[in-house]
Amino acid sequence: DGGITQSPKYLFRKEGQNVTLSCEQNLNHDAMYWYRQDPGQGLRLIYYSQIVNDFQKGDIAEGYSVSREKKESFPLTVTSAQKNPTAFYLCASSTGQQVIETQYFGPGTRLLVL
Amino acid sequence: GNSVTQMEGPVTLSEEAFLTINCTYTATGYPSLFWYVQYPGEGLQLLLKATKADDKGSNKGFEATYRKETTSFHLEKGSVQVSDSAVYFCALVNNDMRFGAGTRLTVKP
Repeated sequence: DGGITQSPKYLFRKEGQNVTLSCEQNLNHDAMYWYRQDPGQGLRLIYYSQIVNDFQKGDIAEGYSVSREKKESFPLTVTSAQKNPTAFYLCASSTGQQVIETQYFGPGTRLLVL
Repeated sequence: GNSVTQMEGPVTLSEEAFLTINCTYTATGYPSLFWYVQYPGEGLQLLLKATKADDKGSNKGFEATYRKETTSFHLEKGSVQVSDSAVYFCALVNNDMRFGAGTRLTVKP
C-alpha cells in the first residue's frame, strides 16, 4: 500500500537535546512538507522540499533543520534552539507536478519535552 | 496575504443533526479550497475540495460549495453520525497552502 509513514508516534526530548523525526513516503511524490500543529492554531509550515537536495524555509523554520537526500525521505531535526518544541508534527507530500495540489499526510509524531 | 478563518469550536451535536462549519478566506486571484478531517491521534485526510468558483466538493455525505462572491467554503452534512467526530480543517492553496485553526466536532448518540 502506498502512503506516508512517520516515526516514532511519540518522542521525548530532554533539555538541550536534538531529536530527529522520520518521514518516509512510497508515493513517488517529488514534494514533501513538515507542519507543526498546536491546539487552536491549525497547521504551520516549518520546511518544504520540492525536489531532492533542495528545501525551503516555511513560516516557522527557526530551531528546526531538514535534509532531503532521497526522494522518499524528509527527516526533520528539532534542535536545542527550538525553545517550545512540544507539539504534534505532521509530514505531508504531493506530486509536485501541478500548481494546485492535494497534500497527503502521515499519521504524525507527538513530541514532548521531559 | 492568504488566510483562512473557521468558526470556533467545539461543536457538539446529536446524531442525525444537521452540521454546518463556516469557513471564509482571504486571497488574491483564484485559490483552490479544501476540507481536511483529522481523527483522534491521526494525521489529516482530505475530505473534499473545489478548484474554481461555484464548484461543489462532496464526499461521505459532506458537501461544500466554493462561493467567490462571499469568499466562503462552508462545510455541511445533512445527518451526522458518531463516527464523524473529529477535527475539521478548512484550507486554501494559492501559491502557498494555508490552514484554518480547525473546528472540533463531537457527535453524541
